[in-house]
Amino acid sequence: NAGVTQTPKFRVLKTGQSMTLLCAQDMNHEYMYWYRQDPGMGLRLIHYSVGEGTTAKGEVPDGYNVSRLKKQNFLLGLESAAPSQTSVYFCASSYSTGTMNTGELFFGEGSRLTVL
Amino acid sequence: GQQVMQIPQYQHVQEGEDFTTYCNSSTTLSNIQWYKQRPGGHPVFLIQLVKSGEVKKQKRLTFQFGEAKKNSSLHITATQTTDVGTYFCAGRRGYSTLTFGKGTMLLVSP
Repeated sequence: NAGVTQTPKFRVLKTGQSMTLLCAQDMNHEYMYWYRQDPGMGLRLIHYSVGEGTTAKGEVPDGYNVSRLKKQNFLLGLESAAPSQTSVYFCASSYSTGTMNTGELFFGEGSRLTVL
Repeated sequence: GQQVMQIPQYQHVQEGEDFTTYCNSSTTLSNIQWYKQRPGGHPVFLIQLVKSGEVKKQKRLTFQFGEAKKNSSLHITATQTTDVGTYFCAGRRGYSTLTFGKGTMLLVSP
């Protein structure tokens, strides 16, 4: 099993450009998440999804959009990139957070985005 | 909103010394998880604590969940260079999403 796969792994954008990060998981997880990681800031939740066709805002959603058209895929879009969006982006997935399982997160390897 | 504070931000130890990182929540948690991220890597799940006062061990790592379910700690006995990385706690209220602490970066000198 590949687990959680993110593409691309690296990308450089100019201010105002748009792009989409793709996350794919092969574990049949219901929940998927997009985090950003900045030095000294830990992991901050951007958006998440509790199932196919659903999305919800996290802690820092501004400037990002997401879609979950298929259960295994979760897309993160930047419509007009800004330098403040320079970061490492992690996708994660988990089983439901019910009491019958741990709800642990499985992370992808990350996508490093630089906006000039 | 829910906040999870983690201290220290950074610790540098000599190999063989012990290490502890502490996690404190502003609210009572239903459970807390710990993750390790190696330099240049991605976070990897270590453990979840659910019960008040719970203590779990994984070889040299000891995890504790406070009686009030608002704080937790991770203790590493006799650190090794392979322990290098950033350790994150992440707390959950009910069935909400996890809130991560900012992490403690551990450096181990041989």
